[in-house]
Amino acid sequence: KQEVTQIPAALSVPEGENLVLNCSFTDSAIYNLQWFRQDPGKGLTSLLLIQSSQREQTSGRLNASLDKSSGRSTLYIAASQPGDSATYLCAAISGSARQLTFGSGTQLTVLP
Amino acid sequence: DADVTQTPRNRITKTGKRIMLECSQTKGHDRMYWYRQDPGLGLRLIYYSFDVKDINKGEISDGYSVSRQAQAKFSLSLESAIPNQTALYFCATSAVALGEQFFGPGTRLTVL
Repeated sequence: KQEVTQIPAALSVPEGENLVLNCSFTDSAIYNLQWFRQDPGKGLTSLLLIQSSQREQTSGRLNASLDKSSGRSTLYIAASQPGDSATYLCAAISGSARQLTFGSGTQLTVLP
Repeated sequence: DADVTQTPRNRITKTGKRIMLECSQTKGHDRMYWYRQDPGLGLRLIYYSFDVKDINKGEISDGYSVSRQAQAKFSLSLESAIPNQTALYFCATSAVALGEQFFGPGTRLTVL
């Protein structure tokens, strides 16, 4: 059974800092990996989708990497802003049912 | 207008009551999903549907049922609600099995 872990559970950084969020998964036979953002009391917003054949994906200040062999993905946020404060979730699609398995998220706070 | 909508957004009910949560989408996607989110546990899959005639149980289907009324509509029912079903419920869609998933705003359900 796939398990997805995100460490740390919470992170606080000053505005302008570059930061990395970590995601690890136990079953390396994933089809793809998706990063989401969740604001308090709100739904999930898809940030990036990395297919298993890709090493990384970029969107604006965000860059996500995928290393299937080590079971890891990272989300890099450049020049962080207070508006980036949210919970970031990663999720992997794997298994015969091709289901998304979510991590518990990293709660990011960017201090002005 | 939002691509994935959920009704109601908030619901408080009592133990033993039957509850239906509804999801509609205008994205034209065949695949629809229901998840629940509990603090510290991330999101877990309840049911998923790959088309109107294809409905499958997810990780935590006990106590729930679903109905796919049309390509655009997927409903989740709690036949007899219990307090441990208090959670945030999300509907999601995707165009293909391994594709990016798009989430609705969520329904906050409280069972007293």
